[in-house]
Amino acid sequence: QQQVKQSPQSLIVQKGGISIINCAYENTAFDYFPWYQQFPGKGPALLIAIRPDVSEKKEGRFTISFNKSAKQFSLHIMDSQPGDSATYFCAASKGPGGLTFGEGTQLTVNP
Amino acid sequence: GAVVSQHPSRVICKSGTSVKIECRSLDFQATTMFWYRQFPKQSLMLMATSNEGSKATYEQGVEKDKFLINHASLTLSTLTVTSAHPEDSSFYICSAVPGATGYGYTFGSGTRLTVV
Repeated sequence: QQQVKQSPQSLIVQKGGISIINCAYENTAFDYFPWYQQFPGKGPALLIAIRPDVSEKKEGRFTISFNKSAKQFSLHIMDSQPGDSATYFCAASKGPGGLTFGEGTQLTVNP
Repeated sequence: GAVVSQHPSRVICKSGTSVKIECRSLDFQATTMFWYRQFPKQSLMLMATSNEGSKATYEQGVEKDKFLINHASLTLSTLTVTSAHPEDSSFYICSAVPGATGYGYTFGSGTRLTVV
């Protein structure tokens, strides 16, 4: 059973545009929601994370929006750049446990 | 910042042999480390939780006798794939949590295992 569902599977945006990736979760016990960026052949790198007591968090060009009642959260990448082209994963965990990942989104930013 | 080192980055082994993958936290102590597996074009799947000084906890469907985990110190966890078969070929990635909060997982760079 996939506990974290991610969409879209792939996304193409123009340079300078906004990339939006969405995730929905089922387990209400999840209390930590990070987003990771992964390049081919590399481990995932933490971009930004949020706890459920906050509805939005911004770090540089990256913003997480969190809707606890809808059990959804999203990643917004402002002013998208070709260097942002990578696979993005949302994830969730309960306490200090292991992460449950979404299916991933392949982002391509055209110059 | 917190760094997790994984070794080797790539390994090719013959079917039936065993392979050991190391995961080290370089600048922090990690009482808990996690092991994930990622098949091509797929997401990361949690395999097991490695606890320092105690037995690992395996996720449902993961064969504990095939994937042996040892967390002998606060900075080192190892994953041994025993009697490897071609279907075990995958990208194995470890992660650890720096700090006492239990959040902020840092991942290693991964190990590409190819079984021929």
